[in-house]
Amino acid sequence: EAQVTQNPRYLITVTGKKLTVTCSQNMNHEYMSWYRQDPGLGLRQIYYSMNVEVTDKGDVPEGYKVSRKEKRNFPLILESPSPNQTSLYFCASSYGRTSGSFYNEQFFGPGTRLTVL
Amino acid sequence: GQQLNQSPQSMFIQEGEDVSMNCTSSSIFNTWLWYKQDPGEGPVLLIALYKAGELTSNGRLTAQFGITRKDSFLNISASIPSDVGIYFCAGQLHYGGATNKLIFGTGTLLAVQP
Repeated sequence: EAQVTQNPRYLITVTGKKLTVTCSQNMNHEYMSWYRQDPGLGLRQIYYSMNVEVTDKGDVPEGYKVSRKEKRNFPLILESPSPNQTSLYFCASSYGRTSGSFYNEQFFGPGTRLTVL
Repeated sequence: GQQLNQSPQSMFIQEGEDVSMNCTSSSIFNTWLWYKQDPGEGPVLLIALYKAGELTSNGRLTAQFGITRKDSFLNISASIPSDVGIYFCAGQLHYGGATNKLIFGTGTLLAVQP
């Protein structure tokens, strides 16, 4: 089954304790992205990756790191989490750039609910 | 970062009623999208719109790409309980290398009473 998986689904941690949220896709997609979802703010992009070893900042990258060593995996790293990073996080993937104007559908994972105390 | 203004924020309706929600932006988009998020799940694409003025249907859902390219609306006809969820609009920007970048609306929470 084609899917995007995230782990863990739920995580409660304390301020300053490094954590990693994993994301994996089995669709051979070039593009992967991380979003955070907060009430009243919709989804905001944290980081994205156009392909292996190619990553770039989204709209809210502060406090996060990512890496893209393999095509299928795109982990999100919080080196020193803070309470304002309490949020619902989504990983998404899609095929990369096309020459046409059609939208490359982004497929979303099930989400990771993170609470930082 | 840029966000889209989506309204209404929430809707509480009776089963069978029609629903309308819209999104506006200060910027032009090349593509407008509508996603639905069920509780405990990630967003799933409902409709994609590619041209100004385009009207597209997907079952009971109809969406339009505004003529100015700065707005879009979604209609749901004859709502049913499984329509419950959060609906997001999103605009896609085409620039540089980030052709897949999406800007999301703030979401519309829909509750349907049987």
